[in-house]
Amino acid sequence: AQTVTQSQPEMSVQEAETVTLSCTYDTSESDYYLFWYKQPPSRQMILVIRQEAYKQQNATENRFSVNFQKAAKSFSLKISDSQLGDAAMYFCGRGGTSYGKLTFGQGTILTVHP
Amino acid sequence: EAQVTQNPRYLITVTGKKLTVTCSQNMNHEYMSWYRQDPGLGLRQIYYSMNVEVTDKGDVPEGYKVSRKEKRNFPLILESPSPNQTSLYFCASSLSSVVNYGYTFGSGTRLTVV
Repeated sequence: AQTVTQSQPEMSVQEAETVTLSCTYDTSESDYYLFWYKQPPSRQMILVIRQEAYKQQNATENRFSVNFQKAAKSFSLKISDSQLGDAAMYFCGRGGTSYGKLTFGQGTILTVHP
Repeated sequence: EAQVTQNPRYLITVTGKKLTVTCSQNMNHEYMSWYRQDPGLGLRQIYYSMNVEVTDKGDVPEGYKVSRKEKRNFPLILESPSPNQTSLYFCASSLSSVVNYGYTFGSGTRLTVV
């Protein structure tokens, strides 16, 4: 089975500081897509950022950026200038070009301290 | 508003009593899928559908049924629920099976089987 692993069950950060959430994945496909989703206490799944594997440039969305290391199959999420509203569960996901399946990691709970 | 509508939001039932969780999307998406979310396990795919009348098993299909008679609807059926199906369930949809833009998720159904 092609897996996605988030090795940090919990992380914490001080408000205004920077935190990095880790994600590694396994795939046999050459073309695929990577995602980070945020799940706040409302439990809504919110897409934070996406990365296309064939693009070497790391994706950035405002305070959120990724460090995509294709050879190492690593896809970490960096949150800069952390805000209280960033507190949530974060899921890393990998999708291929067929069957529509997104495979998710176990999730990382992020706590932001004021 | 483009969305995936999932009902009910909360459900408590007894072992063996058949239930259906409804899912409807208004985006003309071809691909729909059901996931369950459990602590430490992340989100796991139950069933998916590439189009009308085309469904297939995901990673954890045992004890579940689905149907796709119309493009917009993809109900999840538990014919004889058991306590190990207590979980948070999400319906999701995508324009196609190439999930290059990820999923649009419903708001989740918290199911408790006693």
